[in-house]
Amino acid sequence: EPEVTQTPSHQVTQMGQEVILRCVPISNHLYFYWYRQILGQKVEFLVSFYNNEISEKSEIFDDQFSVERPDGSNFTLKIRSTKLEDSAMYFCASSEMDSGGVFTDTQYFGPGTRLTVL
Amino acid sequence: AQSVAQPEDQVNVAEGNPLTVKCTYSVSGNPYLFWYVQYPNRGLQFLLKYITGDNLVKGSYGFEAEFNKSQTSFHLKKPSALVSDSALYFCAVRAHSGNTPLVFGKGTRLSVIA
Repeated sequence: EPEVTQTPSHQVTQMGQEVILRCVPISNHLYFYWYRQILGQKVEFLVSFYNNEISEKSEIFDDQFSVERPDGSNFTLKIRSTKLEDSAMYFCASSEMDSGGVFTDTQYFGPGTRLTVL
Repeated sequence: AQSVAQPEDQVNVAEGNPLTVKCTYSVSGNPYLFWYVQYPNRGLQFLLKYITGDNLVKGSYGFEAEFNKSQTSFHLKKPSALVSDSALYFCAVRAHSGNTPLVFGKGTRLSVIA
């Protein structure tokens, strides 16, 4: 069964450094998302992406964050200058359209990248 | 704004007994409701969803959920729990179809004891 994959599984970085989290969505999916979960808190939406542009973003997704689909398979989240409060589990998700061009509603998630900012 | 409440941080159940994981929601308009499960070191796995139609929705691994509009609830159930069902369960909602974000509950840890 196709799965969303994410690398690395765990990233440790120093405050102020840039990090790039990588995701490979399911191959025929067209919509991509990033969510994050701070330890002990809810899973929160960051950004959605379709047709090479951001569809929607939350208030968390400020100028320090950016997303990119650099090629036909990868979807990346960049944090330009990490802060302590960016420490969290980051989840990538993707969803598809069916053959009739209808959005199918279900988002499929990757295993997450645990980001630790020291 | 949408919101989801999972009132229990932890649910313990004996193997073979029925289990219920509770979820209530708040949303404008018709809700689109989802349950996801997270096993250790794994991502969020889709279990089931309610979009429209029958209030009782059946999903993966023998789980089902009942949509109750009057109580704004979408409780997850299974008739007979397995030790392998032990995991973290998340309820999520969106207000309508399309490329819109999910709003999650904080999760409920289910522990099934042999």
